[in-house]
Amino acid sequence: DVKVTQSSRYLVKRTGEKVFLECVQDMDHENMFWYRQDPGLGLRLIYFSYDVKMKEKGDIPEGYSVSREKKERFSLILESASTNQTSMYLCATSPGATGNEQFFGPGTRLTVL
Amino acid sequence: QKEVEQNSGPLSVPEGAIASLNCTYSDRGSQSFFWYRQYSGKSPELIMFIYSNGDKEDGRFTAQLNKASQYVSLLIRDSQPSDSATYLCAVGSGGGADGLTFGKGTHLIIQP
Repeated sequence: DVKVTQSSRYLVKRTGEKVFLECVQDMDHENMFWYRQDPGLGLRLIYFSYDVKMKEKGDIPEGYSVSREKKERFSLILESASTNQTSMYLCATSPGATGNEQFFGPGTRLTVL
Repeated sequence: QKEVEQNSGPLSVPEGAIASLNCTYSDRGSQSFFWYRQYSGKSPELIMFIYSNGDKEDGRFTAQLNKASQYVSLLIRDSQPSDSATYLCAVGSGGGADGLTFGKGTHLIIQP
């Protein structure tokens, strides 16, 4: 079974803080993704990575950055958190060459005050 | 821009009946099709995938694909209250580094 874990289930931060969200997978998957999910807007892709140290912008990268130093770990960074970044953040992985089905972590509910 | 359209619902179905969820997609080059189930406050869970035209059955679930009509559906037989959730349709263009395009989901309610 694919296991995708995220560092926190719930997180509360203040406006202007730097926020780190971490995702770890144990299935040797090539691809990793960060989404945010908001009511009425669905899943929106922030960034993805198809290899170590590689990253690609998704649909809404503004205000975010990412880091992938090891294959199993993909971090999302909010450089200066703002209230409009309050959301559910979901990490996902996919095998890559053998398929593009995605497996999601449990999510982090981030509140920025 | 690739789009995946779903009726947001809610779709209300009596317990024991067949629930039918539908999805259309815009990219004719799409090759892989997925259905995810998402309970309130939880993350999406993959329940079905289909790559070829026709039907694919797995237990109470059947995925149907019609590439000519750019249409995917999910049938849930003998619906149970535990099937009440939001169902997301996702479409991909192939393997490799390609991601998926997700619909916004259909909220399904199974009435006891």
